[in-house]
Formats: sequence, C-alpha cells, structure tokens
Amino acid sequence: DIVMTQTPLSLSVAIGQSASISCKSSQSLKYSDGKTYLNWVFQSPGQSPKRLIYQVSKLDSGVPDRFSGTGSETDFTLKISRVEAEDLGVYYCCQGSYSPYTFGAGTKLELK
Amino acid sequence: AVQLVESGGGLVQPKESLKISCAASGFTFSNAAMYWVRQAPGKGLEWVARIRTKPNNYATYYADSVKGRFTISRDDSKSMVYLQMDNLKTEDTAMYYCTASVFAYWGQGTLVTVSS
Repeated sequence: DIVMTQTPLSLSVAIGQSASISCKSSQSLKYSDGKTYLNWVFQSPGQSPKRLIYQVSKLDSGVPDRFSGTGSETDFTLKISRVEAEDLGVYYCCQGSYSPYTFGAGTKLELK
Repeated sequence: AVQLVESGGGLVQPKESLKISCAASGFTFSNAAMYWVRQAPGKGLEWVARIRTKPNNYATYYADSVKGRFTISRDDSKSMVYLQMDNLKTEDTAMYYCTASVFAYWGQGTLVTVSS
C-alpha cells in the first residue's frame, strides 16, 4: 500500500500569514494515463470533509485562489497564502492513483 | 446541487451485521465511481471501499482492514450505494462518509458504533 506522509502534523499561524504543508508518497503517484491523482481534502471542526484540490494543482469550484497545490511524482505541497479564520481545521492529502487509496495523517492548522 | 445522504448507522454488538446506505442526487450517478471513507472518533480519514461503474464491470476494492467482512454495492436505477458490514468489530466504530468522483463530493456521514 502507498503510504502518505504529511508534515508538519500541527501548524500555528496568525491570520494573514501563509502556511505550507508537505505530503510525500512512498511511490510515484503518476498513473498509467499520465495523470497524478493527488488530492487535498479539508475538514473544519464538526463538518464533513471537502475536497480543495485534485490532480495536484487543480482547484475545486468555489475554492479561493489563496490555495495552491504543487508537486510531482512523490513530493507535493499545499500552500495557503493569507490564512483566514475559515481556513482553520485539518488538511489531508490523499492519493487516488492506486487501490487501496490512502490518506495522510492530517495536518491541523491552528491560530497562533 | 450535488447531495449525498447517508443513513442506516446505529449501535450494534460485536460480530453483528449492519447495512448502511447513501442516496445520491444532482449528478449522473451511473457515471461516477463511489466510495466509503470512515473516521474513528478523534482520528483521521480512512478509505474503506470503492465501486466502479457499469462499463468497468462494477469492480470493487477494499481496504485490508475490512476485506472479507464488508461489501460495497450500488443500484444505478435508484442512485444508491450501500455498504454491507458483517462480523463487525469494536475498531469499526466510526463516522462513515459516502463520497463520489474521487472525493469531489461528500455526505454528512452516518455513525456506526460497535459495542457490547
């Protein structure tokens, strides 16, 4: 199974600052169709998860452009510029390239 | 608007069975792969099962932790996906989320508690 390793597991930021989360996979996520199925999913406290980014860097509808995703093969990064209060919660990377699909442990974004 | 509505959760004893359901609307259900993802209390997300579409022979895939005990199925005529859970264990206690199209859409979840 592919292991997804996120760092850090906890991140304290002030409103208006930027935040960056790293996600590394134990093997390349590039599928045979040439696409890389790496997603970023966000869960605010008490809510259902919500996908923010798919295929490494594509923003889902309605997601502010303060969010960006980069990376390839095994190394991926989620960046949030100008953090807002509504961004506080847990961020998960997850791969949808190979079954069984796997999630990272999650990164909790908290207010400094 | 896309909606996924789970139902059927509850309290069961170890080794018992439970079937949870998910009603989908707002997208072409028959074209979408469907998934179950769970979250134990205070823990992270864990992918549980996946079912593909008719052109892909409704192929199914499972996490090792549930293989042989859980069965995912779908009814395209009703836009429903199901998770049959047999021989339940206390470690299966979790909120179970229905999700579609590689996690693009999520339901509100249904809570399954396995306890004696």
